[in-house]
Amino acid sequence: DGGITQSPKYLFRKEGQNVTLSCEQNLNHDAMYWYRQDPGQGLRLIYYSQIVNDFQKGDIAEGYSVSREKKESFPLTVTSAQKNPTAFYLCASTASGSKYEQFFGPGTRLTVL
Amino acid sequence: DAKTTQPTSMDCAEGRAANLPCNHSTISGNEYVYWYRQIHSQGPQYIIHGLKNNETNEMASLIITEDRKSSTLILPHATLRDTAVYYCIVRVDKKLTFGTGTRLTIIP
Repeated sequence: DGGITQSPKYLFRKEGQNVTLSCEQNLNHDAMYWYRQDPGQGLRLIYYSQIVNDFQKGDIAEGYSVSREKKESFPLTVTSAQKNPTAFYLCASTASGSKYEQFFGPGTRLTVL
Repeated sequence: DAKTTQPTSMDCAEGRAANLPCNHSTISGNEYVYWYRQIHSQGPQYIIHGLKNNETNEMASLIITEDRKSSTLILPHATLRDTAVYYCIVRVDKKLTFGTGTRLTIIP
């Protein structure tokens, strides 16, 4: 089945530790996105990548880093510089073309203790 | 960026049509309107999108006013599984900006 996978579903880390969230897609999509969602809020864009080896900051990139070494993978690192890292993180991808439908993964809920 | 305004919450009886309004008065001529929904603790799901004309697919219908300043998403026969947060989004370039959406509750 084609789709987007994010692992793990729940992640716990101690304050001050960096943590990397996984996002993999087998849809052959060019563009990939990372969003953050806080309780009762909409999604906010962290980073996005239109093509391998290229990515752009979204609206809330501070304290996060990404890489795009392979088309199917777009990992997100939450660094110790991120002041409030506890949140629900969602990865998405989209194919090129006019429809521009974003497909979302199931999300990772990160809790920093 | 074009902003959207949606009611915070709505109820609809099961089996009836759910009509979700959205205002986007600052939309530009080449910007599309997208609708997504998010069921609790899951990733958002694409529903439909449009530019000027009304659109229909297997999930819903999208009615866009002639001046494009507002739109309505119609779920023709709402079921309990349609309970979710519905986001109306104006796509700018290659990015979607999600607001807080409308929490739609389908009442049995």
